[in-house]
Amino acid sequence: DGGITQSPKYLFRKEGQNVTLSCEQNLNHDAMYWYRQDPGQGLRLIYYSQIVNDFQKGDIAEGYSVSREKKESFPLTVTSAQKNPTAFYLCASSTPGQGASGDYGYTFGSGTRLTVV
Amino acid sequence: GNSVTQMEGPVTLSEEAFLTINCTYTATGYPSLFWYVQYPGEGLQLLLKATKADDKGSNKGFEATYRKETTSFHLEKGSVQVSDSAVYFCALSGLHSGYALNFGKGTSLLVTP
Repeated sequence: DGGITQSPKYLFRKEGQNVTLSCEQNLNHDAMYWYRQDPGQGLRLIYYSQIVNDFQKGDIAEGYSVSREKKESFPLTVTSAQKNPTAFYLCASSTPGQGASGDYGYTFGSGTRLTVV
Repeated sequence: GNSVTQMEGPVTLSEEAFLTINCTYTATGYPSLFWYVQYPGEGLQLLLKATKADDKGSNKGFEATYRKETTSFHLEKGSVQVSDSAVYFCALSGLHSGYALNFGKGTSLLVTP
């Protein structure tokens, strides 16, 4: 079955360390996204990529970096510059540009909970 | 830019009560509108969607109608169950940010027996 796999489910980071969250999809989707979820704040867009080797900053990109070397993979690195990284991170993919239907076929992963210790 | 505003929770209802969660949006062009649900400890699940004005999305007894004149997409259910307890997110997608979803802050719903 096609889907999105995020790993690990739980991740602990020490102060000053970089960590990388994995996101892999086998849906053949062109676009991939990273969101951060904090209690009472909904989901906020960190980075997105519409095509391989290209990505754009979202609303809260500071302290994060991404790469898109393969269509299937969109890893997110939380750097030491991110001052408050403890949060729930969700990866998603879609097929934008489906024309009049506007049905982008969004699929979400099950998330990674990152805690700074 | 695009934005979504939904009523703040938590909302507490008795089983079989009527549910309404208000959602209004601001967007350029003609966005698609969505309701997502998140059960405790889980990721997001698409509940329903509408892709053009006057469309009605429905699923599992939930309904929402895309109202362009009032820029709204209110979620309703005629009779809630304890198993509907979750956080509900209204979202839109359009040309902004590569069709990324813009989410509201979420509304927590607790249904008591």
